[in-house]
Amino acid sequence: QTVVTQEPSFSVSPGGTVTLTCGLSSGSVSTTSYPSWYQQTPGQAPRALVFSTNTRSSGVPDRFSGSILGNKAALTITGAQADDESDYYCVLYMGSGIWMFGGGTKLTVL
Amino acid sequence: EVQLVESGGGLVQPGGSLRLSCAASGFTHSWYWMAWVRQAPGKGLEWVANIKQDGSEKYYVDSVKGRFAISRDNAENSLSLQMNSVTADDTALYFCGRWRTEPYGIDVWGQGTTVTVSS
Repeated sequence: QTVVTQEPSFSVSPGGTVTLTCGLSSGSVSTTSYPSWYQQTPGQAPRALVFSTNTRSSGVPDRFSGSILGNKAALTITGAQADDESDYYCVLYMGSGIWMFGGGTKLTVL
Repeated sequence: EVQLVESGGGLVQPGGSLRLSCAASGFTHSWYWMAWVRQAPGKGLEWVANIKQDGSEKYYVDSVKGRFAISRDNAENSLSLQMNSVTADDTALYFCGRWRTEPYGIDVWGQGTTVTVSS
């Protein structure tokens, strides 16, 4: 079965730029995978960041941007801040009404 | 204020049943697809099920097909998840979500309700 893949962990320096990716174990991610991205801190509900590849959710700063890079979806965070330290999840449309989350990326800002 | 509030979680024995509810407020519930997403302790998010605005289309992750049933009552602005034949693998925090289309994604999340399957 095809699964959605994300880096388990990533680190970025304060003020730096980081790109998290969301791929498929078999095949390529495209705009018709409708990738969306979510941020979650411990004990909290997820917060929507980006819908359908690159549409930012209301209130999300433009430091967060989504794109397709090669055969993966990507979330780029510029000017990283301490409170960006969170878990980040993507979800993809797999076809036939089925959606699948990636395993998440734990981002450390240090 | 747009809000989703889940309820109905608790301790259930393996093989038992539980019904989760999600009360929506602050928006026209019938305009949106709705979804259930779960998170096992210490694990990532897992999409569980979606339901179309009028309930005519429902989709499930393979691991719950035939055991869980998603439904909605637009007159009551509510969403439900009937969970049958539960196993320890169903232990999780269950989130209700408003699933927008064009662009796609969950733009509103509840705080979740915890389901623990244990004897």
